[in-house]
Amino acid sequence: EAGVTQSPTHLIKTRGQQATLRCSPISGHTSVYWYQQALGLGLQFLLWYDEGEERNRGNFPPRFSGRQFPNYSSELNVNALELEDSALYLCASSLEGLADGNEQFFGPGTRLTVL
Amino acid sequence: AQSVTQPDIHITVSEGASLELRCNYSYGATPYLFWYVQSPGQGLQLLLKYFSGDTLVQGIKGFEAEFKRSQSSFNLRKPSVHWSDAAEYFCAVGNNAGNMLTFGGGTRLMVKP
Repeated sequence: EAGVTQSPTHLIKTRGQQATLRCSPISGHTSVYWYQQALGLGLQFLLWYDEGEERNRGNFPPRFSGRQFPNYSSELNVNALELEDSALYLCASSLEGLADGNEQFFGPGTRLTVL
Repeated sequence: AQSVTQPDIHITVSEGASLELRCNYSYGATPYLFWYVQSPGQGLQLLLKYFSGDTLVQGIKGFEAEFKRSQSSFNLRKPSVHWSDAAEYFCAVGNNAGNMLTFGGGTRLMVKP
């Protein structure tokens, strides 16, 4: 069974541009999560999507947004890129919620570099 | 708000020695607790999880962890470390409200031959 996949592996942008990151969850998983792993800041929760809706959002500005498609894949968009947005962006998926004992499975990440 | 502390940023052990990585959490209710491992340039792999029941949980690769409510701890242990265990280890706490995981800062494990 295929795991969580993310594309692209690496992405290089300049300040002010927009970045789009993509994630395909494990087959049958309806929830998708995005996390940012920035140097010195650790792993921080960004967004949670379930059944096409944004369910929860971390402490990030509105220029971080995303969506979930009918096939449960997801996009993370980062507008007006800043140098500090350089990080590894990890996507995870799960069957519904934590309350049901479902863990999150992580993809390999997209390394975003902002110059 | 929930939080996780991993007091040890770096740990070095000799191959074959035992290992304990510390994790302390702060959460008002019964937490969902996880340990993940990350190799360089890779995503996170789940080692084990605690939701309820037996406080000693077994995971993959010979790891185990013990939930101690009185100490708000969920320490990870392995009786004999292998060179391939060198990686970064993250403890995380989750809740069923926002489904988010809150991670500790990580412990980087180095294994000496």
